Amino acid sequence: QQQVKQSPQSLIVQKGGISIINCAYENTAFDYFPWYQQFPGKGPALLIAIRPDVSEKKEGRFTISFNKSAKQFSLHIMDSQPGDSATYFCAASGETSGSRLTFGEGTQLTVNP
Amino acid sequence: DGGITQSPKYLFRKEGQNVTLSCEQNLNHDAMYWYRQDPGQGLRLIYYSQIVNDFQKGDIAEGYSVSREKKESFPLTVTSAQKNPTAFYLCASSWWRNTGELFFGEGSRLTVL
Repeated sequence: QQQVKQSPQSLIVQKGGISIINCAYENTAFDYFPWYQQFPGKGPALLIAIRPDVSEKKEGRFTISFNKSAKQFSLHIMDSQPGDSATYFCAASGETSGSRLTFGEGTQLTVNP
Repeated sequence: DGGITQSPKYLFRKEGQNVTLSCEQNLNHDAMYWYRQDPGQGLRLIYYSQIVNDFQKGDIAEGYSVSREKKESFPLTVTSAQKNPTAFYLCASSWWRNTGELFFGEGSRLTVL
């Protein structure tokens, strides 16, 4: 009930391409869905987040798409750059859990120059 | 500069020894968290604390202990009862509300020899 499933585990994209990472959740009480970006040897940092009252949120080259009925959400990175190479985590939380997040397994993105 | 400081960054331990990882924040956040990161398993919650002198077990608390005597400090002890302690440990803090915005430290890598 509390799981968040993320795919793929790893992704290799050419510079300028589109990177797509998908997540699925089970708990319908989840109402906040952030994405975190982590560079090697560093802690994760919030990248972008969405609530289920909208189906899409865009910040620069990063877009979250949200499908409430399918209980799925995804991160799209347009015009991917080598500097985007990092591990990406989706996460979810609900009102009753405060800021306690349930994380996906992570996707290691490599953008080749 | 506000932030979260974890120490030490690298730690080696012999089997059977307890070790304590330090986490200090100067963001005046209410809540603090400890996560464990293993390859392909995402971030798993060990313990969290919403207020001083109170803390709750996360998903993988066995073999770990914490204290929260001060708002800014949340040390984690990895005890000898933890069967597989070699991992990357991340401390985070946040306001205790449904925003999902966790601020992470840079992590401590523990290796058991």
